[in-house]
Amino acid sequence: AQTVTQSQPEMSVQEAETVTLSCTYDTSESDYYLFWYKQPPSRQMILVIRQEAYKQQNATENRFSVNFQKAAKSFSLKISDSQLGDAAMYFCAYRDDKIIFGKGTRLHILP
Amino acid sequence: EPEVTQTPSHQVTQMGQEVILRCVPISNHLYFYWYRQILGQKVEFLVSFYNNEISEKSEIFDDQFSVERPDGSNFTLKIRSTKLEDSAMYFCASSEVGALYSNQPQHFGDGTRLSIL
Repeated sequence: AQTVTQSQPEMSVQEAETVTLSCTYDTSESDYYLFWYKQPPSRQMILVIRQEAYKQQNATENRFSVNFQKAAKSFSLKISDSQLGDAAMYFCAYRDDKIIFGKGTRLHILP
Repeated sequence: EPEVTQTPSHQVTQMGQEVILRCVPISNHLYFYWYRQILGQKVEFLVSFYNNEISEKSEIFDDQFSVERPDGSNFTLKIRSTKLEDSAMYFCASSEVGALYSNQPQHFGDGTRLSIL
């Protein structure tokens, strides 16, 4: 069965600095999709970024980028120029039709 | 941008009562999902639904749970006899395609907070 592991329950970063959230996963599939979702205090689930496993190029969305290491089954999220609005719970997720979520990393932004 | 909408935003129910959570998926989407998030825990898959039948369900989705698409627009989750441990945030999601080899994300609703007293 596929699993997703986020080893950092909480992290803090100074506003305008860069932070990296870690995620590892386990699967026997060769083609799959990985996502990072953001959940602010309002509890919505907001898609941040997605990565196709067959693409070697790391996905980027404005200040958000990933470091996808397929052989290592690692999928970290880098947030550059952190803003107060980035404070949220971040979930790494693997899609196997249904989505399998990690336990999340709570990110605090320090002014 | 089209959204998945869920009603109510908060539901308070006595233990043992039936509850129905409602979702309106994005109109051209064909695959529907329910997830649950107990406070402080991760989001867990409950059930997926396609072509008017359940595609997959988790061990959480026991006989007390059922899903229905009664009228072609709503997608409902019913809990027949609620228990205290059913208290959670319930998220509905939909996607245009559900095939494994697809990069289309699931779009989530804002969730329904279910509180069982």
